[in-house]
Amino acid sequence: QSVLTQPPSVSAAPGQKVTISCSGSSSNIGNNFVSWYQQLPGTAPRLLIYENYERPSGIPDRFSGSKSGTTATLDITGLQTGDEADYYCVAWSSSLSAWVFGGGTKVTVL
Amino acid sequence: QPQLQESGPGLVKPSETLSLTCTVSGVSISSGAYYWGWIRQPPGKGLEWIGSIYYDGATQYNPSLKSRVTISMDTSKSQFSLNLMSVTAADTAVYFCARQGFSSWYYWGQGTLVTVSS
Repeated sequence: QSVLTQPPSVSAAPGQKVTISCSGSSSNIGNNFVSWYQQLPGTAPRLLIYENYERPSGIPDRFSGSKSGTTATLDITGLQTGDEADYYCVAWSSSLSAWVFGGGTKVTVL
Repeated sequence: QPQLQESGPGLVKPSETLSLTCTVSGVSISSGAYYWGWIRQPPGKGLEWIGSIYYDGATQYNPSLKSRVTISMDTSKSQFSLNLMSVTAADTAVYFCARQGFSSWYYWGQGTLVTVSS
């Protein structure tokens, strides 16, 4: 059971939008930054979003992040087949003194 | 930009110690401002933070693994290492090393699969 809760899967047709939620508490998401990672099969995770909504250079603006209270959200617009991957949210937990991950969300492009 | 590469045995026997090394190139691991850490992923499952080490040797460990984990650093070799004691099949996973910034993990190694089996 992960500390941060994500839906196991989401799907949409090419060109459409998907939204992935990440629910936590005041000890993690509520008072700390959230980052998002994309993991293609057999590869290491890739940072997509840091500090809730910032994008590293090279990450398309089709990927956007936001946070409200104890829930963070990753939006992917203009969905492409190459976006099929697992997506993870991460935050520091002040109560656990540990980095905590969401359980991951599998994005399927229909 | 930094490049990270994990190395170590791919097979460890139950009750023994899992030892991995991450070799960093392209930057100095003693330059400060970053933690260097280990994250693992059991087959078909999600990611789990194991622990991190700062350039000055300060460490942070996942409370669930703290009693079995030691992370150390050899700046002369630009390496940091993971020791996980008393392993069981539940420790079978792909182990990643990564650089931890203020709030995120930007640079990752490719990962190495470690199987615990007799």
